Amino acid sequence: DAKTTQPNSMESNEEEPVHLPCNHSTISGTDYIHWYRQLPSQGPEYVIHGLTSNVNNRMASLAIAEDRKSSTLILHRATLRDAAVYYCIPYYNFNKFYFGSGTKLNVKP
Amino acid sequence: DTAVSQTPKYLVTQMGNDKSIKCEQNLGHDTMYWYKQDSKKFLKIMFSYNNKELIINETVPNRFSPKSPDKAHLNLHINSLELGDSAVYFCASSQGGQGNPRGEQFFGPGTRLTVL
Repeated sequence: DAKTTQPNSMESNEEEPVHLPCNHSTISGTDYIHWYRQLPSQGPEYVIHGLTSNVNNRMASLAIAEDRKSSTLILHRATLRDAAVYYCIPYYNFNKFYFGSGTKLNVKP
Repeated sequence: DTAVSQTPKYLVTQMGNDKSIKCEQNLGHDTMYWYKQDSKKFLKIMFSYNNKELIINETVPNRFSPKSPDKAHLNLHINSLELGDSAVYFCASSQGGQGNPRGEQFFGPGTRLTVL
């Protein structure tokens, strides 16, 4: 199973971009990279996923390194509502879908 | 409309009791899951059902038994509750399960179980 390394916590100012890094050096060629977040007292919610190319959606962008050993979740303009724990999950099938400790993002007004 | 719902939201009970948590999804997904989030906030998968068939059973005590009456429901029954069972339990669903690594999982709001 691919292991991940993420900073325990990060801080950002509101309205500024945030780059959340993740190292997954043991990722296999078929593992998609998923990002989820968990707001306080809520269940996790899907943010974005990708395989090799960079991806954009309405919530965020995902930049994947060429060697796929790391990725960065980009929130273009952080809001207070983005304060959450962000999980990076290399994923091929659901029996490898393991949440690590994630990065707790604090957004300052 | 709530996509994945769980009942109850809170459950407080005594050691040794038997309790159930219900989960329903209205997304038409064919795969449902149970996760446990302990006091240290680690989220671990417990069970997965695909088309009413058990696919994953992680190292979970036999006291925990999932039941899937149909594709839209996955209930969790816990016998002889122990103090260590206190946690937040999340239900989730997705389409495709194994073989669909792009499948987004939708999580319920969680059930906070407290065993006294």
